[in-house]
Amino acid sequence: KAGVTQTPRYLIKTRGQQVTLSCSPISGHRSVSWYQQTPGQGLQFLFEYFSETQRNKGNFPGRFSGRQFSNSRSEMNVSTLELGDSALYLCASSPGQDGYTFGSGTRLTVV
Amino acid sequence: GQQVMQIPQYQHVQEGEDFTTYCNSSTTLSNIQWYKQRPGGHPVFLIQLVKSGEVKKQKRLTFQFGEAKKNSSLHITATQTTDVGTYFCAGFVYIPTFGRGTSLIVHP
Repeated sequence: KAGVTQTPRYLIKTRGQQVTLSCSPISGHRSVSWYQQTPGQGLQFLFEYFSETQRNKGNFPGRFSGRQFSNSRSEMNVSTLELGDSALYLCASSPGQDGYTFGSGTRLTVV
Repeated sequence: GQQVMQIPQYQHVQEGEDFTTYCNSSTTLSNIQWYKQRPGGHPVFLIQLVKSGEVKKQKRLTFQFGEAKKNSSLHITATQTTDVGTYFCAGFVYIPTFGRGTSLIVHP
């Protein structure tokens, strides 16, 4: 069974630009969540989607947004990029109340 | 807001020695999950604990959830070089809050 697929794997953007990251969950998993991982702040929850609805949101500014499509695929968007947004962005899927299966992540570098 | 403290930050052990990492939450949790992340990799789910005082074992790994559901531990017996990585706990109230992780270094 295919795992969680994130694209692209690496991305370099300029400060002020916007970026969209994509995540395809494991087939049958309706919950998709996004995380930011940095050496300074560790692993932080961004938001979770279930059946196209945002179920929970972490403590991030409104520049961070996401959505989920009817096939459970999800996208995350960051607008007006700042240098501090450089991080590994991880997507994870879950069938419901169990643990998350993480993708390999998208490493975003903002210059 | 909710905080999850995890100690120690690093642990060096000789192969064959035991290892323990601890998580403490500022609030009562509904459940806690444990993950392992190898260097350069992504977190991999290990286990979920839900009940007060729960103890679960996976081969050489033992997971405990405190009676007050505010603390948890992961104990590895007789470490092996394949145990190298960072172990994270994630405490759940409405959203997951991750500990900073404990990096385990095993010396052969």
